[in-house]
Amino acid sequence: KQEVTQIPAALSVPEGENLVLNCSFTDSAIYNLQWFRQDPGKGLTSLLLIQSSQREQTSGRLNASLDKSSGRSTLYIAASQPGDSATYLCAVVMYSGGGADGLTFGKGTHLIIQP
Amino acid sequence: DTAVSQTPKYLVTQMGNDKSIKCEQNLGHDTMYWYKQDSKKFLKIMFSYNNKELIINETVPNRFSPKSPDKAHLNLHINSLELGDSAVYFCASSQRDRGPGNTIYFGEGSWLTVV
Repeated sequence: KQEVTQIPAALSVPEGENLVLNCSFTDSAIYNLQWFRQDPGKGLTSLLLIQSSQREQTSGRLNASLDKSSGRSTLYIAASQPGDSATYLCAVVMYSGGGADGLTFGKGTHLIIQP
Repeated sequence: DTAVSQTPKYLVTQMGNDKSIKCEQNLGHDTMYWYKQDSKKFLKIMFSYNNKELIINETVPNRFSPKSPDKAHLNLHINSLELGDSAVYFCASSQRDRGPGNTIYFGEGSWLTVV
């Protein structure tokens, strides 16, 4: 059964720093991996999606990498801002015969950017 | 326009009651999901429907019964509510058999409190 682990569980850094969030998964037979952001009391916003055949995706100050063989992904946030404060969730989609299945989530990294 | 909408956003009810949460997506997707986020903020899939047929049914009490009247709707009915059912329930949708792009879109969540 797929398990997704995110480290660290919480992170607090001063504004302007570059930071890395880590995600690992136990079963490398994934269809894709997604990074989400969740603000308190809100739903999930998809940040980046990396297909199993890809190595990385970039969107603005965010860069996500995927090493499928080792079961790892990282989310790199450049020049962090207070508005980046949120919980970041990593999730993988497994592939079944009929197509991709639902997401398996990690428990998230709670990020606080200090002004 | 809201892509995935669910109602109600907040629901407070007494133990033993029966309640429903409705979900609609206007993205033309063929697959819809229900996820549960517990008090520890851990997100876990409950059900998935593809073209109105159940394809994922995780270990969920049979008091929870999803209903999909058409591809654009997936409602969640809960019988005999218990204190432990208090959680945030997220509806989501995707195009399951799409090739590279299988982004899952989430609703804003329904906060259920059982008292």
